[in-house]
Amino acid sequence: SQQGEEDPQALSIQEGENATMNCSYKTSINNLQWYRQNSGRGLVHLILIRSNEREKHSGRLRVTLDTSKKSSSLLITASRAADTASYFCATDERAAGNKLTFGGGTRVLVKP
Amino acid sequence: DGGITQSPKYLFRKEGQNVTLSCEQNLNHDAMYWYRQDPGQGLRLIYYSQIVNDFQKGDIAEGYSVSREKKESFPLTVTSAQKNPTAFYLCASTHKGAGYTFGSGTRLTVV
Repeated sequence: SQQGEEDPQALSIQEGENATMNCSYKTSINNLQWYRQNSGRGLVHLILIRSNEREKHSGRLRVTLDTSKKSSSLLITASRAADTASYFCATDERAAGNKLTFGGGTRVLVKP
Repeated sequence: DGGITQSPKYLFRKEGQNVTLSCEQNLNHDAMYWYRQDPGQGLRLIYYSQIVNDFQKGDIAEGYSVSREKKESFPLTVTSAQKNPTAFYLCASTHKGAGYTFGSGTRLTVV
């Protein structure tokens, strides 16, 4: 089953621009997490936002969470070519007992 | 350095063969997970273990088996019953409520 659905599926931007991607989910969550995956590699944890938080920042990353709409967004500001990767949201569902369910990902291409 | 190690990086399996993928962590994490990723797709949960000597099926457990005899180790066996095993396999570990640490993956191909 796929809890999170990312939008858009793919995104192409110029270096220096901002990249925004969205994630929607279906059930109540403990937290929502964002991960980055470079091609053919493992995933890297970027940021975790708990269900009682609305916004979180980490460096050039800004994550928002709207539990009433069951949605989250990830903003990457001042993008760099090194930000080219796939980005996944993952939800820790209240009923599921500490296991993450991942969405299909957004593929981001940052052109120099 | 603390981390999670998957081996081998590439694995080739003949039809009808069982193969075992290794996952070892030295992060002292209680929980460990196996995910499967198909090209251009997200991750699907195969099995997970929250404590030694205990594990649960995920969404796509059929054709796979695991063991958790040691806290550090969570090997995954892809059995001959798994009809479409070609995929990228990712192992992860975590403390409850924290982000996951992933290994670098094993790419399994049926030849």
